[in-house]
This record gives sequence, C-alpha cells and structure tokens, in this order.
Amino acid sequence: DGGITQSPKYLFRKEGQNVTLSCEQNLNHDAMYWYRQDPGQGLRLIYYSQIVNDFQKGDIAEGYSVSREKKESFPLTVTSAQKNPTAFYLCASSISRGATEAFFGQGTRLTVV
Amino acid sequence: GESVGLHLPTLSVQEGDNSIINCAYSNSASDYFIWYKQESGKGPQFIIDIRSNMDKRQGQRVTVLLNKTVKHLSLQIAATQPGDSAVYFCAENEGFQKLVFGTGTRLLVSP
Repeated sequence: DGGITQSPKYLFRKEGQNVTLSCEQNLNHDAMYWYRQDPGQGLRLIYYSQIVNDFQKGDIAEGYSVSREKKESFPLTVTSAQKNPTAFYLCASSISRGATEAFFGQGTRLTVV
Repeated sequence: GESVGLHLPTLSVQEGDNSIINCAYSNSASDYFIWYKQESGKGPQFIIDIRSNMDKRQGQRVTVLLNKTVKHLSLQIAATQPGDSAVYFCAENEGFQKLVFGTGTRLLVSP
C-alpha cells in the first residue's frame, strides 16, 4: 500500500535530550513537510523540503533540525533547544510542481517527562 | 502577513442538518484551497479542493464555494452524520512549496 508512515506513534523524552521522529513515504513525492499541532490549535509549519538534499525553515523552526538524504525519508530531530516540545507532530508529503494535495501521516505524540 | 483563518471555532448541528464551515483568506495569489478533516489523534484527511479559477466544486455530500471578491471559502456538508464530527481545516496552497493552514473549526454532530 502506498502511503506515509510516521513512527513511533507515542514518544516520551526526558528534558535535555534530543529525539528523532521518523517519517517515510513510498508515494514517490518530492516535497515533504513537518507540522506541529498543539491542543485546540491549527498546524504550524516547522520545516519543509522540496527535493532531496534541500530543506527550508518554516514558521517555527527554532529548536528543530531535519535532513533529506533520501527522497522517501524526512526525519525530524527535536533538540534540547526546543523549550516546549510536547505536541502532536505531523509529517506530510506532496507531489512537487502543481501540487494541490498533501498526504498526512498519522502523527507522533511527543511528551516531555 | 498573509494568513488563513476561520470565523467559528465550534459548530454544533443536529444529525441530518446541513453544515456550513467558513474560512477567510488574505493571499489573493493562492492557487488552490483545500479542506481537510481531522479526527481526534489522527492526521488530517483530504476532503476536497478548489482551484482559484473556480467558484464551486462538489463532491460526495460536500460542496466547496469560493468567493474571490471577498476572499471567502466555505465547506458545505449535506445531511450531516455523527461520523462527520471532527475538526475541519481550510488551507491555501502557495504554489507547491507549502500549505498554510487555518486554526480549524470543530464540528459537533448530535444524534
């Protein structure tokens, strides 16, 4: 089945630790995105990548890092510099040019303990 | 700055009623507008989209209307069902680079 997969579904992190969230897609999409969602709020863009080995900061990139070494993978690292990391993280992908639709993963809920 | 927003945070309807969810946008250069449905604890699911050169588009039980004069977008759901209860987001596609999402409207459907 084609789709976009995020793992793990739930993640707990101690304060001061870095943690990496996985996002894999087999849709052959060029563009991938990371969003953060806080309770009762909309999606805010963290980073996006239009092509392999290239990525751009979104609206709330501070405290996060990404890599795009492979077309199908776009991992997000939440660093210790992110002051309020507890949130629901969503990864999405879309065809590059002329894209109208983004496909979302099921999300990773990160909790700092 | 450019933004996409929603008029109502929560909409409560009775089962069988028609629902209308509204959205305002400010970027007149957007090419596409998209509605997503998000159920609790899940990722958003695509519902319907509309190009900027269209005024109306219909899907199964859903209709999206675009009024470019007042920069307004709406999602109409016919014969609303309990399974339609979710948060609905409108989003505008600024070319292919990224989607800009509104804050969402929660739809509550009572039996």
